[in-house]
Amino acid sequence: DAKTTQPTSMDCAEGRAANLPCNHSTISGNEYVYWYRQIHSQGPQYIIHGLKNNETNEMASLIITEDRKSSTLILPHATLRDTAVYYCITRGGSNYKLTFGKGTLLTVNP
Amino acid sequence: DAEITQSPRHKITETGRQVTLACHQTWNHNNMFWYRQDLGHGLRLIHYSYGVHDTNKGEVSDGYSVSRSNTEDLPLTLESAASSQTSVYFCASSVMISGYEQFFGPGTRLTVL
Repeated sequence: DAKTTQPTSMDCAEGRAANLPCNHSTISGNEYVYWYRQIHSQGPQYIIHGLKNNETNEMASLIITEDRKSSTLILPHATLRDTAVYYCITRGGSNYKLTFGKGTLLTVNP
Repeated sequence: DAEITQSPRHKITETGRQVTLACHQTWNHNNMFWYRQDLGHGLRLIHYSYGVHDTNKGEVSDGYSVSRSNTEDLPLTLESAASSQTSVYFCASSVMISGYEQFFGPGTRLTVL
């Protein structure tokens, strides 16, 4: 799985969009990009995943660059409950394992 | 509703004792995983299974074992608990289809004295 690079921490004002970047420059053609988050003391929670196209669900949007070397997770209207560590992970083919890095601590401020 | 549960949620044990942490899922998922989480290390994979009677070592498997006798359960055993195994343990499961997410349990906080 490709190595991912994320900022250690970010701040966002409540009600504003939170844009979390991730670099995965060595991603291969069959690798998906996954985003998970972990709210303090809880198990990680799946947010969204994508392969090539941009994706949107009820929680977030995922924008993947055309060369697939980076992506951005967008929380359109961040709330205080979105304060968490956000993990960007790549996974491909029949390898179902996830390798978690340090992630980005997003703090949503009132 | 389908779910994934872990028990116990908290456990205190002594060095050298055998400990078993339970993980049970009702989604009928083929894939099951055990992770540990420590400050400064994030989540690290201990063992995983892609089906009944299948088990595989992850990146930090020393001192741990698992067995998969049915689809629903993947118990994690610490053969002889060590203080270095004090951690929070998470179990997860997923379907055997490319692109599907892992669902995580609530975690077990284990303290080895």
